[in-house]
This record gives sequence, structure tokens and C-alpha cells, in this order.
Amino acid sequence: KAGVTQTPRYLIKTRGQQVTLSCSPISGHRSVSWYQQTPGQGLQFLFEYFSETQRNKGNFPGRFSGRQFSNSRSEMNVSTLELGDSALYLCASFPGRGENEQFFGPGTRLTVL
Amino acid sequence: AQKVTQAQTEISVVEKEDVTLDCVYETRDTTYYLFWYKQPPSGELVFLIRRNSFDEQNEISGRYSWNFQKSTSSFNFTITASQVVDSAVYFCALSEHGTSGSRLTFGEGTQLTVNP
Repeated sequence: KAGVTQTPRYLIKTRGQQVTLSCSPISGHRSVSWYQQTPGQGLQFLFEYFSETQRNKGNFPGRFSGRQFSNSRSEMNVSTLELGDSALYLCASFPGRGENEQFFGPGTRLTVL
Repeated sequence: AQKVTQAQTEISVVEKEDVTLDCVYETRDTTYYLFWYKQPPSGELVFLIRRNSFDEQNEISGRYSWNFQKSTSSFNFTITASQVVDSAVYFCALSEHGTSGSRLTFGEGTQLTVNP
């Protein structure tokens, strides 16, 4: 069974630009969560999508948004990039219900210059 | 609000030593889940274990063992006879039952270095 895939793996953007990251969950998994990892703030929950609906949301500004498609693939978008948005963005795949662990992808490393 | 604290920022040991990584959590929920993840330099978080709040049995998996104590709100992780390949950052995490385990609160992580 293929694992969680994230594209692109590395990205360099400049302040003010916007960026879209993609995550494909494990086949059959209906939930996708996004996390931001920075040296200063650690791992922080961004949001979770289940069956194309946002089910949970973390404490991030509205510049961070996401969506999920009918095939469970998810995208997150960050608009008007700031230097502080430089981070490793991790996507986690989860069946959606039950006591199952989340499986993480390799992450997308975003650098904002 | 829930919180996870990993007081040990960095630990350095010599191969074959035993090492324990501490994790203390706070939650108001009576039903919750605790996790440990390993993050090697590649960046991907690797799942190690999940525990629910009603199961206080200790668990052993090969060289890994976990000690869950609700009385002290701790979920510690021990590696026996450590190996160089165990070098990584280890995260303890907590999720509440209401979110079906889909929102994790992570600790700050412990960087473990195992020297040959």
C-alpha cells in the first residue's frame, strides 16, 4: 500500500506570493490533516478535512486555507507569504473514524525569502 | 486546553545504553489518546505507538517500551540497548476523543543522539 505523498518536496517563494501544497493520502483514508513545523513553534495543527469538509481548525490566520477533493486528495494554500511561514508542512492521513493512528507524509519544506 | 511537555530537549548516549524519554501531558478530557512519533533527519514522522486513556498496561515492542501512568499524567518511552539508528527527534503527542484522534497536540520533541 502506497504511503502518504506530498508535492512538491521543496519550494522557495518570496514574500507576498502565494503557494499551494498538495497531499495524497493512503488509499481508503478519508481524513487529511495538515501541520506546520518550525524551530520556534514546533509542530502545530493547521486543519483537518474529512469527506471534503473542514472538520477541525487550528489557530492560524485566514491566509492559511485548504480544501479536499472527492478522491480525498488535499491541498493547502498560503496567501501573501511572510518570512515566518518558512517551515516544514506535514500532511497526515487517517481513515477518518476509530482509534487509528495518523500516517505522515515526508513533508514540503517551504522557504520564504 | 491540552498540553504536552517533553522536558528533555537533547539527550546524548553511547550505543548500547538504555535511554528514557519523558512525556508529561495535560488534558481535561477523560478519554484521550497518546502517541509517540520518531522524526529522522529526512523529516517524515514515523508512528511508534498509540495508547488510549483506559489502557494503562505497559507495552514492549522489541527494544522499545512505554510506561503510561495516569496518576502522574506521564507516558514515558524507553529504548533498551540503543543503536546509532535510533538517533532522531522523538515526539510525544495527545489527541482528544472528540476529534476522533485527528487533531494532535505535540510536545517540543527530544533530540536523541546515539554515539558509536
